[in-house]
Amino acid sequence: AQTVTQSQPEMSVQEAETVTLSCTYDTSESDYYLFWYKQPPSRQMILVIRQEAYKQQNATENRFSVNFQKAAKSFSLKISDSQLGDAAMYFCAYRSGLGKSNFGNEKLTFGTGTRLTIIP
Amino acid sequence: EAQVTQNPRYLITVTGKKLTVTCSQNMNHEYMSWYRQDPGLGLRQIYYSMNVEVTDKGDVPEGYKVSRKEKRNFPLILESPSPNQTSLYFCASSPGTSGFSYNEQFFGPGTRLTVL
Repeated sequence: AQTVTQSQPEMSVQEAETVTLSCTYDTSESDYYLFWYKQPPSRQMILVIRQEAYKQQNATENRFSVNFQKAAKSFSLKISDSQLGDAAMYFCAYRSGLGKSNFGNEKLTFGTGTRLTIIP
Repeated sequence: EAQVTQNPRYLITVTGKKLTVTCSQNMNHEYMSWYRQDPGLGLRQIYYSMNVEVTDKGDVPEGYKVSRKEKRNFPLILESPSPNQTSLYFCASSPGTSGFSYNEQFFGPGTRLTVL
């Protein structure tokens, strides 16, 4: 079974600075997807960024980028120019990419989350 | 507007009183799933459905039931709730392609359930 570990329960960053959230995962599969979700106080789950394991290039979405190290099974999220609206719980998640191994279950395996505080 | 809706958003109940949390999506998605979120544990899958009348257990199915009689609806049923089912519940849906390609999952707004 796959596991996702977020070792930083809480992080804080000064507004306009850069912060990196860590995530490691364990899997024996070669084809999979990795995600970062944001959960603001409204509790809504918002997809921030996605990475396909077969892609060597790191995904970027505006101020959000990832550092995907497949051999090390590491998937960190970098937030540049932090804004007050970035304050939230951030979850790292894994999804198997092989239909034959998950029999159509698109289950997301989540880490325990990192609460990010932005200091004005 | 494409969305996943859940009702109720908040519910306080007592041990043993049957309840249903509804989930509905208007995107004609085949795949739907329920998760529960607990502090320090992240989100864990309860049940999922690949299509009408096709459901299966996730990682934490004990104490829950589901049904998928219509494509748009996927209710979560707690026949005899217990305090350890106090949690934040999310429904999610995606187009569904039997897992062979990526589809974004759309999450509902969450249901906060307290069982006394």
